[in-house]
Amino acid sequence: DTGVSQDPRHKITKRGQNVTFRCDPISEHNRLYWYRQTLGQGPEFLTYFQNEAQLEKSRLLSDRFSAERPKGSFSTLEIQRTEQGDSAMYLCASSLAQGPNQPQHFGDGTRLSIL
Amino acid sequence: GDSVTQMEGPVTLSEEAFLTINCTYTATGYPSLFWYVQYPGEGLQLLLKATKADDKGSNKGFEATYRKETTSFHLEKGSVQVSDSAVYFCALQNSGGSNYKLTFGKGTLLTVNP
Repeated sequence: DTGVSQDPRHKITKRGQNVTFRCDPISEHNRLYWYRQTLGQGPEFLTYFQNEAQLEKSRLLSDRFSAERPKGSFSTLEIQRTEQGDSAMYLCASSLAQGPNQPQHFGDGTRLSIL
Repeated sequence: GDSVTQMEGPVTLSEEAFLTINCTYTATGYPSLFWYVQYPGEGLQLLLKATKADDKGSNKGFEATYRKETTSFHLEKGSVQVSDSAVYFCALQNSGGSNYKLTFGKGTLLTVNP
């Protein structure tokens, strides 16, 4: 169990640029979640995959955001035309799909800073 | 909708003091409840959980009891250490939904001084 891995750890970019983050979940976990955490707040749900299917998207996920999990393993989160308000920590989590009470395991996050 | 309310921090204690961080929730159905801890520069780590009323979750000297009648899940530790300094998040997972997402409180920063 190598844990959830996220890359990069930090990303600094200019407003208007596109960015892509990667998440590698724990290998046997088929549920994968993306959350966003701003300073002084708890994480907020963005989207959820079971295997390769994206089953729910939060209203926080504007049309500039897109997430994929093409083979049911790693996932990518892309933000197009970044804005100042996108500056946040983006967290990925994964869990088993056996029932509702499986704990979610989090990666260390990708911190995005928009200049 | 679902929500979690935590006591506002920061909380500053001396080593070996007693810790309580209050957490109350609003949810439909019968949620599972969690405490996560976040150390500086790191992601969230699951500290403990409880899945039904009157369950007590415990780990590393921390405890929390699922109180359905008061919709609460307060975190306690009898004797804190400097290494417990971190941000603590209370969260719920509503089993009535289909996506099993976590709903978090805002977090409580704990600083323990030697």
